[in-house]
Amino acid sequence: RKEVEQDPGPFNVPEGATVAFNCTYSNSASQSFFWYRQDCRKEPKLLMSVYSSGNEDGRFTAQLNRASQYISLLIRDSKLSDSATYLCVVNREPNSGGSNYKLTFGKGTLLTVNP
Amino acid sequence: EAGVAQSPRYKIIEKRQSVAFWCNPISGHATLYWYQQILGQGPKLLIQFQNNGVVDDSQLPKDRFSAERLKGVDSTLKIQPAKLEDSAVYLCASSSAGPDTQYFGPGTRLTVL
Repeated sequence: RKEVEQDPGPFNVPEGATVAFNCTYSNSASQSFFWYRQDCRKEPKLLMSVYSSGNEDGRFTAQLNRASQYISLLIRDSKLSDSATYLCVVNREPNSGGSNYKLTFGKGTLLTVNP
Repeated sequence: EAGVAQSPRYKIIEKRQSVAFWCNPISGHATLYWYQQILGQGPKLLIQFQNNGVVDDSQLPKDRFSAERLKGVDSTLKIQPAKLEDSAVYLCASSSAGPDTQYFGPGTRLTVL
């Protein structure tokens, strides 16, 4: 089983639609979780951190279910500018203090929002 | 604040040739990462430095890849000799503390013919 698995996509949705991305992770030691966004031929950029039971940022809502080792990202009222690849990322924090974080990225799910 | 700088942005070489990439992290960032992103995949960590020491190079193909971070600032990643399957974008990232402060550079797109 891959360490981080995402919906394969691609997703094509009309403007204003609600779209959900799903992600599962295999390592129960994973401590923190993120969604990154990557535009075509650009570098990944942090979209949201997902801590404890999840969080919301405007039109974006991230949820975490530790028992099921499942993370989701919901985009409401999608915009043309939301078109990008969404990467699910998990981190296994070090046992002791320090910055030896190991981020593992999923393959990403491509979203295209159509006018 | 200046971001992570990488050069070159693009490189085309023939297989069995050597190539080197350079990264300058955000000022003051102690941790530096090199990732390989193959088309259609997520970034895969190759090596992680804390200041000038290596903390994780478990996924670095050490028979052909090498990296160094002299003086705990700039870093270079080298491939010698290159193979066709090394065609990818090589991303450098840096962070000062926790994982949610990790910033990526624009990447170097390598094509091996």
